[in-house]
Amino acid sequence: QVQLQESGPGLVKPSQTLSLTCTVSGDSMISHGYYWSWIRQHPEKGLEWISYIYYTGDTYYNPSLKSRVTMSVDTSKHHFSLKMSSVTAADTAVYYCARYYDNSDWGRYFDHWGQGTLVTVSS
Amino acid sequence: DIVMTQSPLSLPVTPGEPASISCRSSQSLLHSNGYNFLGWYLQKSGQSPQLLIYLGSNRASGVPDRFSGSGSGTDFTLQISRVEAEDVGIYYCMQSLQIPQTFGQGTKLEIK
Repeated sequence: QVQLQESGPGLVKPSQTLSLTCTVSGDSMISHGYYWSWIRQHPEKGLEWISYIYYTGDTYYNPSLKSRVTMSVDTSKHHFSLKMSSVTAADTAVYYCARYYDNSDWGRYFDHWGQGTLVTVSS
Repeated sequence: DIVMTQSPLSLPVTPGEPASISCRSSQSLLHSNGYNFLGWYLQKSGQSPQLLIYLGSNRASGVPDRFSGSGSGTDFTLQISRVEAEDVGIYYCMQSLQIPQTFGQGTKLEIK
């Protein structure tokens, strides 16, 4: 059973860079069809997909955030990371890492999620 | 982006009674392979979302058969045949036909 765990600072100052890491356990990160993802949830609001990365390093970003977001993956350390630059209060949210399965014939879905980590942007 | 719209936003239900949630997309979610790329997730209080349904009508592993999904194109429905207390939470639909994946605003199911 794959498990994901987010880690990183809970408080980031405006204009600085938010950095989060997701550690994966219970399964290989090198699995065909699985992408490693970040999703966020603003307080009392809905869900917003941020980005995902394949074990090869291929990345896909939400166009609304693409200019500020960078993902990386280190399969040897069983983790992947998110960096979001120039943050503002609007980036305050719970950030989830998740595994995304992508297969046109078998489905596309987030099948495993971390517990989430609250990141607050404030001076 | 494809806009996902759910209704109702709040759904009080008596245990043992059925429940239905509607999800509409601004574009068809029907892929050329005949599958609808629509999923349903449940977020219980204090937890991360969990997958219930994928490809419009396929139950995820471990999901009770009282949950069912239907619909095609732009109109989809999640039905719970007999609501139980453990079904309380916020239900989200999500399209995965194209990037960016987008979610509905959520439907809060509560027990009367």
